[in-house]
Amino acid sequence: EPEVTQTPSHQVTQMGQEVILRCVPISNHLYFYWYRQILGQKVEFLVSFYNNEISEKSEIFDDQFSVERPDGSNFTLKIRSTKLEDSAMYFCASSTLAGVPYEQYFGPGTRLTVT
Amino acid sequence: GDSVTQMEGPVTLSEEAFLTINCTYTATGYPSLFWYVQYPGEGLQLLLKATKADDKGSNKGFEATYRKETTSFHLEKGSVQVSDSAVYFCALRGGSARQLTFGSGTQLTVLP
Repeated sequence: EPEVTQTPSHQVTQMGQEVILRCVPISNHLYFYWYRQILGQKVEFLVSFYNNEISEKSEIFDDQFSVERPDGSNFTLKIRSTKLEDSAMYFCASSTLAGVPYEQYFGPGTRLTVT
Repeated sequence: GDSVTQMEGPVTLSEEAFLTINCTYTATGYPSLFWYVQYPGEGLQLLLKATKADDKGSNKGFEATYRKETTSFHLEKGSVQVSDSAVYFCALRGGSARQLTFGSGTQLTVLP
């Protein structure tokens, strides 16, 4: 069964460093998403991406965040200058255009630890 | 804005016990409602969904009914198994939006 994959599973970085989290969505999906979950808190929407541009974004997704689909398979989230409060589990998801109600398939997550 | 309030955990039950995890929501319009499950070390998996009032979603013995009058979507299972141990998330998608709004998750542990 097709699945969303994410790498790395755990990333440790120092405050102020740039990180790139990688995702490979399901191959025939057209919408891509990033969510995050700070430990003990809710899963929060960050951004959605369709047709090579951002479709929607939350207020969390400020100028230090960016997303890219650099090739036909990868979808990346870049955090330009990490802060301690960026420590969280980051989930990638994808969905097709067709089908109601556009079920989102999630990856296993990348745990980001900023020290 | 949209929000989901979920029963606080953790919840610990014995095998074959009855499970209820409460979920209520606030949303404009007519949202679609979901339960996701996360097993240890894995991603979020859709467990069941309901797209309109009075719909009942069901899967793997779990059920939830979309109650518009009480803005609720409580998850139930008549007889839990050890393999049901996981974190359960209630979520909604409101109106024309594609993104999901999640509850805080409920950790369920089922003991043999």
